[in-house]
Amino acid sequence: DTAVSQTPKYLVTQMGNDKSIKCEQNLGHDTMYWYKQDSKKFLKIMFSYNNKELIINETVPNRFSPKSPDKAHLNLHINSLELGDSAVYFCASSQGLPGGFTDTQYFGPGTRLTVL
Amino acid sequence: KQEVTQIPAALSVPEGENLVLNCSFTDSAIYNLQWFRQDPGKGLTSLLLIQSSQREQTSGRLNASLDKSSGRSTLYIAASQPGDSATYLCAVSSGGSYIPTFGRGTSLIVHP
Repeated sequence: DTAVSQTPKYLVTQMGNDKSIKCEQNLGHDTMYWYKQDSKKFLKIMFSYNNKELIINETVPNRFSPKSPDKAHLNLHINSLELGDSAVYFCASSQGLPGGFTDTQYFGPGTRLTVL
Repeated sequence: KQEVTQIPAALSVPEGENLVLNCSFTDSAIYNLQWFRQDPGKGLTSLLLIQSSQREQTSGRLNASLDKSSGRSTLYIAASQPGDSATYLCAVSSGGSYIPTFGRGTSLIVHP
C-alpha cells in the first residue's frame, strides 16, 4: 500500500496557467508538508500543515495556496505559473508535534512541474 | 541561519567497500538530524533519525553518528552493494519551528 501518494507525477503547462497537485497519506499522520526541489537538487520546505491548519509558510509567494480538506490530504494550488516554478514538488507527512519535523518524515514520489 | 554541507558531493566505489558520508551544520542547537536516501526520479526515504540527545543510530548496515558540539554527523555504510547507489541527503531540524535544512546530498555509485 502506498503511504504518501501524489498526482500527477508529471505536469507540463504554459506560463500564466493555474494548476493543482494532489497529495494523500494513509499513515494516519497529523502533519503534512510540501517541499520544493530545484534543478540543483536543493530541497526546501514550503508549507507545514497540522490537522488541516497551516503551521509554517516559508516565505512562499501567495500564488501558492495549500488546501487541506482533511488531515489525510494536502493539495497545492499554484496560480499564474512562472518559469521559476519549474521544479519537483514533494509532499510528506509525519506524526509528532504540531509543528512537525520532530519525527520521521515519509515522502511521496514527487511531481515534476515544467512551466514553458 | 542554519547551513548544512555534505561532503563529498559524489562518490564512486567498488562493491564491498565500507563508506563514510559526512554532514556538517553551522548551528549546533538542533532538535534532530535525519539521513535520507533519494533514488533517481523518486521521493526521499528516511534511513535514520537521530534526536539531539542521542549519539548514534543503527539500522542494518547503516550507522549514523551525531556530534552536536562539532556540528557533524556521519553516515557509515558497511559492505556497500550496487543497490546502495542513490543520493544521500542529510537534514537538520533547528530553530523554534524545527524547520529542516537540507544538505545538497552525496551522490553514491557502487559498481559491481
